[in-house]
Amino acid sequence: AQSVTQLDSQVPVFEEAPVELRCNYSSSVSVYLFWYVQYPNQGLQLLLKYLSGSTLVKGINGFEAEFNKSQTSFHLRKPSVHISDTAEYFCAVKLTIKAAGNKLTFGGGTRVLVKP
Amino acid sequence: SQTIHQWPATLVQPVGSPLSLECTVEGTSNPNLYWYRQAAGRGLQLLFYSVGIGQISSEVPQNLSASRPQDRQFILSSKKLLLSDSGFYLCAWERGEKLFFGSGTQLSVL
Repeated sequence: AQSVTQLDSQVPVFEEAPVELRCNYSSSVSVYLFWYVQYPNQGLQLLLKYLSGSTLVKGINGFEAEFNKSQTSFHLRKPSVHISDTAEYFCAVKLTIKAAGNKLTFGGGTRVLVKP
Repeated sequence: SQTIHQWPATLVQPVGSPLSLECTVEGTSNPNLYWYRQAAGRGLQLLFYSVGIGQISSEVPQNLSASRPQDRQFILSSKKLLLSDSGFYLCAWERGEKLFFGSGTQLSVL
């Protein structure tokens, strides 16, 4: 079975500073990788995804993530954060095999608090 | 376009009372549907998923059940709520490799 570890449960960061959210996964087969964002009292929205191709993936709101197969990581970065980036961020994986019940496995989430 | 509706947005229920949360999807047919729970300070836990009418898979043993009486309707239920059932419940549907989430229901069991 696959698993996802987000090493940081909370990340405080000052406005306009860079931020990196770490995500590592474990799987015996190849996976697709995702980052979702959850703003306060809302559902989740997809930030970006890696399915294949270039290992550097650009998403919405200036976020990007890099897939590193050897390190089984998919860290999320933003060079300059805004107050509006305060949210919880979830890394997720899904097996690439087509099978019934193939579903997303989420990490524990990282709360980002952007301070002025 | 496809949309997902989830209600109610908030719910306060006493211990031992029943529960029914409803989720409906518009603009698509035969979607894969999911119920997730997000407990305070914890990540997302998959509770149930459904690949079709009447087809429910449970991920973890618990006090909850799910049903899919219609193609685009997914219901989360309980006969008797426990304090530990408190949390933020999210319904989602799947298209391709992407999940689309509803706005969630904040359930407080007192």
